[in-house]
Amino acid sequence: QQQVKQSPQSLIVQKGGIPIINCAYENTAFDYFPWYQQFPGKGPALLIAIRPDVSEKKEGRFTISFNKSAKQFSLHIMDSQPGDSATYFCAVIQETSGSRLTFGEGTQLTVNP
Amino acid sequence: EPEVTQTPSHQVTQMGQEVILRCVPISNHLYFYWYRQILGQKVEFLVSFYNNEISEKSEIFDDQFSVERPDGSNFTLKIRSTKLEDSAMYFCASGQTGGNQPQHFGDGTRLSIL
Repeated sequence: QQQVKQSPQSLIVQKGGIPIINCAYENTAFDYFPWYQQFPGKGPALLIAIRPDVSEKKEGRFTISFNKSAKQFSLHIMDSQPGDSATYFCAVIQETSGSRLTFGEGTQLTVNP
Repeated sequence: EPEVTQTPSHQVTQMGQEVILRCVPISNHLYFYWYRQILGQKVEFLVSFYNNEISEKSEIFDDQFSVERPDGSNFTLKIRSTKLEDSAMYFCASGQTGGNQPQHFGDGTRLSIL
């Protein structure tokens, strides 16, 4: 059972563009929605996270939009830079069931100069 | 900034051999995790550990796997009899608290089974 579906699998944008990565989940009991950024040879690093009681959260150039009724959340990267080129994973947690992160399949983002 | 450190960075082992992957979590963290990532695939949860016992494990974490916190700083993952399909990146993570709080990942150990 695939609990988190992430799209697209890969994404190429020009510098300054606004890549958008989407995730859809099935279990309405999930209550924490983080995004992780992973560079080659490194572990995932927490980028930004949102809880279901808000519809949007912004930190610097990164914004999460959350649609509870549609069971979807997305990551927007404003004014993208070549240094943002990485793999991005959405994840979910159901706090009442423990603290395991369930990850999406990942999106490989390339920002061209 | 404190970080999770993992050793070795790359481990090559013959099939059937035992392997121990080591992690030093962030010092004031109480919750510890192992995840794995098969090449080109998503990161998968293996096990969580709190208060010196396993708090949750996935279906991947079968009897050949075990975890231990042998002292106040190290957290280890042991694979008793390795299989070819155990080849993956293994990530250790730690968190100050559990639930929906940030988990901080190490840079992983690449395990190659021959």
